[in-house]
Amino acid sequence: DIVMTQSPSSLAVSAGDKVTMSCKSSQSLFSSEYQGNYLSWFQQKPGQSPKLLISLASTRETGVPDRFIGSGSGTDFTLTINSVQAEDLAVYYCEQYYSYPLTFGSGTKLEIK
Amino acid sequence: EVQLVESGGGLVQPGRSLKLSCAASGFTFSDYNMAWVRQAPTKGLEWVASISYGGSNTHYGDSVKGRFTISRDNAKSTLYLQMDSLRSEDTATYYCARPATFAYWGQGTLVTVSS
Repeated sequence: DIVMTQSPSSLAVSAGDKVTMSCKSSQSLFSSEYQGNYLSWFQQKPGQSPKLLISLASTRETGVPDRFIGSGSGTDFTLTINSVQAEDLAVYYCEQYYSYPLTFGSGTKLEIK
Repeated sequence: EVQLVESGGGLVQPGRSLKLSCAASGFTFSDYNMAWVRQAPTKGLEWVASISYGGSNTHYGDSVKGRFTISRDNAKSTLYLQMDSLRSEDTATYYCARPATFAYWGQGTLVTVSS
């Protein structure tokens, strides 16, 4: 099974700050056949269902603000939020869909000071 | 607009069974693989099971293999999860979602396993 390790588990920032969070996989998520990394990022706000922010490691979903940036390849991935807003309060999860069983990271909880 | 609406959750005793449903609309259901993902109270997300668009291929997480069965009725645009031999650790909100990227999720249905 591919293990997804997220860090930090939580962080507290002020509005306007830049945030980076990490997601590491125990195996490469790069598909040479499809030339992409099978890694998604989700945002889950309190009391809501998860929302897909980014797929294929760096492809932002339609309607997702451009302050959310996904990067990385292979086994190391990063979600960056430029100029954090109060509405970004949430838990952020990474997930690999390279192989079964599909696995999620344990999440990074973002708190706004 | 894609919509996924789960139903069937509730309180059930350990060892008993429960069947969840997910009604899909806004897309051609029979063209897409589907999945169930769960989230225990205050915990993270856990993939439970997936099924291919035609229903012939299924995959399960180790924690539910042999106890849960995913199925679908393409004529009714509905996804199911039959849960047998339920345990307290199966207590969670169960989400219906559309893979591979999980771009769409339902609102979830809460299953509580307790005596």
